[in-house]
Amino acid sequence: QVQLVQSGAEVKKPGSSVKVSCKASGDTFPYAISWVRQAPGQGLEWMGRLISVFGLPNYAQNFQGRVTITADKSTSTAYMELYSLTFEDTAVYYCAAEKDYGHFYFDFWGQGTLVTVSS
Amino acid sequence: EIVMTQTPHSLPVTVGQPASISCRSSQSLAHSDGNTYLSWLQQRPGQPPRVLIYKTSNRVSGVPDRFSGSGAGTDFTLEISRVDPEDAGIYYCMQVTQFPHVYTFGQGTKLEIK
Repeated sequence: QVQLVQSGAEVKKPGSSVKVSCKASGDTFPYAISWVRQAPGQGLEWMGRLISVFGLPNYAQNFQGRVTITADKSTSTAYMELYSLTFEDTAVYYCAAEKDYGHFYFDFWGQGTLVTVSS
Repeated sequence: EIVMTQTPHSLPVTVGQPASISCRSSQSLAHSDGNTYLSWLQQRPGQPPRVLIYKTSNRVSGVPDRFSGSGAGTDFTLEISRVDPEDAGIYYCMQVTQFPHVYTFGQGTKLEIK
């Protein structure tokens, strides 16, 4: 079993950036971690994924150049940093883990981090 | 870019009755390894999503057997044989492209208990 615990809620101004953390505890560090966001009352939107073994990220086209996903295996923590925030980035941000290679689905989810962009 | 279309958007169901949600993709989801990485997720109010079904028809451990998934190619279905009050929530289908691995969600189906 893996538990994912995310950092707390953030309030940011337009044009700034936000960095959200996701600490994994349990058996082993997940094979891959994705970040998924959900705007208020809206559906799920995948932002990108990092394969922890290789440290190679890939990003959704909508977020290319505006998001960075990293991981520090020494602390079992993944990070998502989003830049140039606008009001439309107000959302709950989730980290979601694939336990093993070849799963291609999210075995575990963090509790979510609310990011509010407000002037 | 693959587009996932779910129907219906809203699904009122009486307890004990069956329910069915459709998910259609804009192109075939079959990978060259012979697998189709289509999963179904449930999100209850105020909670993160959780996976119910993976690779089209495999139920995750602990998920009640009243949930089943089927389909191939571009058409997929989640069925609930007898709806329980705890099944209220929003259901999403999700696919993964072969390479690069891009994940796409359907827009969601809200199941509500009549």
